[in-house]
Amino acid sequence: DAGVIQSPRHEVTEMGQEVTLRCKPISGHNSLFWYRQTMMRGLELLIYFNNNVPIDDSGMPEDRFSAKMPNASFSTLKIQPSEPRDSAVYFCASSFLQTGELFFGEGSRLTVL
Amino acid sequence: AQSVSQHNHHVILSEAASLELGCNYSYGGTVNLFWYVQYPGQHLQLLLKYFSGDPLVKGIKGFEAEFIKSKFSFNLRKPSVQWSDTAEYFCAVKDSNYQLIWGAGTKLIIKP
Repeated sequence: DAGVIQSPRHEVTEMGQEVTLRCKPISGHNSLFWYRQTMMRGLELLIYFNNNVPIDDSGMPEDRFSAKMPNASFSTLKIQPSEPRDSAVYFCASSFLQTGELFFGEGSRLTVL
Repeated sequence: AQSVSQHNHHVILSEAASLELGCNYSYGGTVNLFWYVQYPGQHLQLLLKYFSGDPLVKGIKGFEAEFIKSKFSFNLRKPSVQWSDTAEYFCAVKDSNYQLIWGAGTKLIIKP
């Protein structure tokens, strides 16, 4: 298996622009997680899905952030409009929910100018 | 709610020194425990995990961890570290809601 695939790996954009990050989980996994990592705040869980249904989005910072999982093999995290404080590495991870063992993608490094 | 404590935020060691990183979680019951490693500029990778059975768990790259239920601990150890072990190490516990609860991480620097 190719593992969790994220795109883009790097994104540089200007404040106010829309950003869409994409994730393909490992085939067969039933859960998908979006994390954000910064030096200041460390690793933060934004949202997770089980069987394509959002279960806990309490970590989503504000209404500018939204996430979707239209099917078992694809998820997006959208920021609109983006702000400089959104600059971070965004990781997607997938798992079998019962075990808790997460498999991480390589991350999308977002820079908002 | 479950919480995870990693007592050392930064650790600096010389090559060949022994390593022990502490991890404690807040309450018991059945737990799944994990150590992940994040090398500079990379994503998190699983080092080792404990679900049940032998409390001494062996992972990749010579790492091991011991689950001590009475102490709510899952400390990570390596007898002799290498420069390539420079990374950030995260302890995590699966809670009853199936989420992973993460420790704050320990940055390990190995001096050559």
